[in-house]
Amino acid sequence: EAEVAQSPRYKITEKSQAVAFWCDPISGHATLYWYRQILGQGPELLVQFQDESVVDDSQLPKDRFSAERLKGVDSTLKIQPAELGDSAMYLCASSLASGFNNEQFFGPGTRLTVL
Amino acid sequence: RKEVEQDPGPFNVPEGATVAFNCTYSNSASQSFFWYRQDCRKEPKLLMSVYSSGNEDGRFTAQLNRASQYISLLIRDSKLSDSATYLCVVNNYGQNFVFGPGTRLSVLP
Repeated sequence: EAEVAQSPRYKITEKSQAVAFWCDPISGHATLYWYRQILGQGPELLVQFQDESVVDDSQLPKDRFSAERLKGVDSTLKIQPAELGDSAMYLCASSLASGFNNEQFFGPGTRLTVL
Repeated sequence: RKEVEQDPGPFNVPEGATVAFNCTYSNSASQSFFWYRQDCRKEPKLLMSVYSSGNEDGRFTAQLNRASQYISLLIRDSKLSDSATYLCVVNNYGQNFVFGPGTRLSVLP
């Protein structure tokens, strides 16, 4: 069964350092999402791509976060500089298209701890 | 008011019990609704979509009440393996998916 791949699975960093997360969606999935999930809360959308274009990044803290999907396939999410409040699970998801009825498939996530 | 609200629980029920969760949403233009299941420290996985006419999948039944703006999930004959967090998800056409905070269920032996 095709899966969404993410790496690393765990990342520990000190505040003010830069971190980067990678996501490889299911082959053929045009839509890619990055979510942040704080313990005890539901996932919160950070950015949504349709192919290589950003569709929604209204919740992305653009002063420190950036995301790209240059060739419309895999994607990178970067935080620079990391802050203590960024400690969370970062989930990547993909769907076949961006229609409202399309199922999202999630990767295993990257658990970030900022010290 | 948050866009999607759920009782965080935990709901502690014995094996074999029937349990129901509700989820309320604030945007009357919402068009699609889902229940996702998330095991501890794992990623969310789709449990079922919620249709206007209601739908059933084995022991799970989902209902949508547009007038009162809530969706429900009913689990019959609870199994130990049903222990998880259940996330309510709402989507408006052309906008993003909004997740609720989740309801935690523990099924006890």
